[in-house]
Order: sequence, then C-alpha cells, then structure tokens
Amino acid sequence: DAKTTQPPSMDCAEGRAANLPCNHSTISGNEYVYWYRQIHSQGPQYIIHGLKNNETNEMASLIITEDRKSSTLILPHATLRDTAVYYCIVRASLVFGKGTRLSVIA
Amino acid sequence: SAVISQKPSRDICQRGTSLTIQCQVDSQVTMMFWYRQQPGQSLTLIATANQGSEATYESGFVIDKFPISRPNLTFSTLTVSNMSPEDSSIYLCSVVRGVGYTFGSGTRLTVV
Repeated sequence: DAKTTQPPSMDCAEGRAANLPCNHSTISGNEYVYWYRQIHSQGPQYIIHGLKNNETNEMASLIITEDRKSSTLILPHATLRDTAVYYCIVRASLVFGKGTRLSVIA
Repeated sequence: SAVISQKPSRDICQRGTSLTIQCQVDSQVTMMFWYRQQPGQSLTLIATANQGSEATYESGFVIDKFPISRPNLTFSTLTVSNMSPEDSSIYLCSVVRGVGYTFGSGTRLTVV
C-alpha cells in the first residue's frame, strides 16, 4: 500500500496562501490522492482529490507533480478557521498518516 | 456525499464493561469502515464491514475485542468489549459514496 509523508506542523499568516506538501513516492498508477482535514474533535472532512491533473474547487487547489510522487494542497487565502490537521492519503490504502497540523495566525 | 449519524456522541464507561456504537447512513453503501483515533494520534483503521459477510480486521484488532455487525446496507455497529482505560479514544465510522470518504462525527469514549 502506498504511504504518505507530511511535515508535522506548519504556520501560516491569516490571508496568505498555505501550501501543504505531501510525499507519496510509492503511489501506483491508478491510485488517487485525497486530502482531508480534521478540526478539533470533529470527524475528518473531505477537501479535494486528484489523479494526475491539478484540481481546484471552492476550498482548495491540488497540485500533483508529473511523476505523481508528491503533491501540494494550496489554501489560497487561509483564515483562522482553516486551523486543523490536514491529512493526505492514497485512497486504496485507507491509511492515515500523522498529517500536518496547520496553525493559521492572525 | 453521504450523511452519517453516529451514536452515542460520547460516553464514560467503567472498565470491564462493553459499549456498542451505532452508525446509520442515509443511503445504501457496500462497505463501512470503523476507525479509532487515540488521544493526539491519527486515525487507525480497525475493520471493514461488508453486508452479508464477516468484517475484515486490520492487524492488531480482533473480533473478540471489537465485534462488528452489519445487518443491512445502511447500518453497522461496533462493540468495544471488556474495556480498559487504553480503549479511551474517538471511534469513527466512514463510508465511501461518490467522492472520497465521509466520516461520522465520532464517539468519544472515556474508560475509567
């Protein structure tokens, strides 16, 4: 199963873009990359997913490298409510890593 | 995405007792997943529950400790048996329907 690696924590100033990296070097060709976030004491919330192409929705953008071994989640204008733990997972594995704790600072 | 109702939302239980957690989905789904999240940790998959067959448990989790029922395509229960303080965690159910996984709000269990 593909595993993911993320930095344990990041800070971001409110209003600035938050760029959260994820390494998934063992991903196979048909596995999607999914991003979730978990705000304290709540269940994880779906953010975005992608296979090869970059994706954008109302919450975020997802940039996947051409070799698919890494990706970056971009929150274009971070707010205090974006403070959460962000998880990058490969769908087929159902394995959650430790995620990145993003702190948005006023 | 699916809507999941999970009950109870929290409970405090005596060691040695058992607690059954219910997960109700607003539509039929093939697979339901049960996760545990220990304090300060990430989510760990306990088992996958398919309707009409026994649940598939991940390494480190056994049916005697975490029996699962899946009587139909919209409902599942997870029982935490013979509880000890080490079982204090958030337990979450999850389904896949449409895009990605949808999670219940979780059951916060404290064993004293």
